Amino acid sequence: QQPVQSPQAVILREGEDAVINCSSSKALYSVHWYRQKHGEAPVFLMILLKGGEQKGHDKISASFNEKKQQSSLYLTASQLSYSGTYFCGTERKYGNKLVFGAGTILRVKS
Amino acid sequence: DVKVTQSSRYLVKRTGEKVFLECVQDMDHENMFWYRQDPGLGLRLIYFSYDVKMKEKGDIPEGYSVSREKKERFSLILESASTNQTSMYLCATAASGNTIYFGEGSWLTVV
Repeated sequence: QQPVQSPQAVILREGEDAVINCSSSKALYSVHWYRQKHGEAPVFLMILLKGGEQKGHDKISASFNEKKQQSSLYLTASQLSYSGTYFCGTERKYGNKLVFGAGTILRVKS
Repeated sequence: DVKVTQSSRYLVKRTGEKVFLECVQDMDHENMFWYRQDPGLGLRLIYFSYDVKMKEKGDIPEGYSVSREKKERFSLILESASTNQTSMYLCATAASGNTIYFGEGSWLTVV
């Protein structure tokens, strides 16, 4: 079952923060985050495993709330290069195939 | 770096034609995938393969078939292309741990 991402789209000015959410109705083993720039392949950002961990990657971090079956991606002090479509992929148990959300379009303006 | 190469970036085919989309990876990954990407629907899994000659249906396999004769190559076949198969097709690979690496995509238009 496809996870639900919100918001569908967001427009920011450089330096502003954003949060993208990914929710599932089923118990999850892991959540993966990818970013896709226009005309390019999706690129892996990070993976969060069950256990409620949080990870960071420059000014992009994420958390995984196992009880709520929800992950959030945090983009702080956004840069123009953050523009793109962000996808979460969920995995219900190790070795299962990933099911992706519909994506969140992020546009950062100068 | 993982390299996933899709041989055709842009194709235009006629309704009813047989279409082959080829994908080659250079990292010896066991798992390979074909996704379809449409606006507002995200990435939907068509088929995946976890070994040579092994395949499993994804969420939207109807109208598609796949072939994996060699570990590095995974082909998507549209037996009789239809206009509703106009889309972007993404090939991907993964080793254990499930981090997926995508190719650059193949844009298919069926007229």
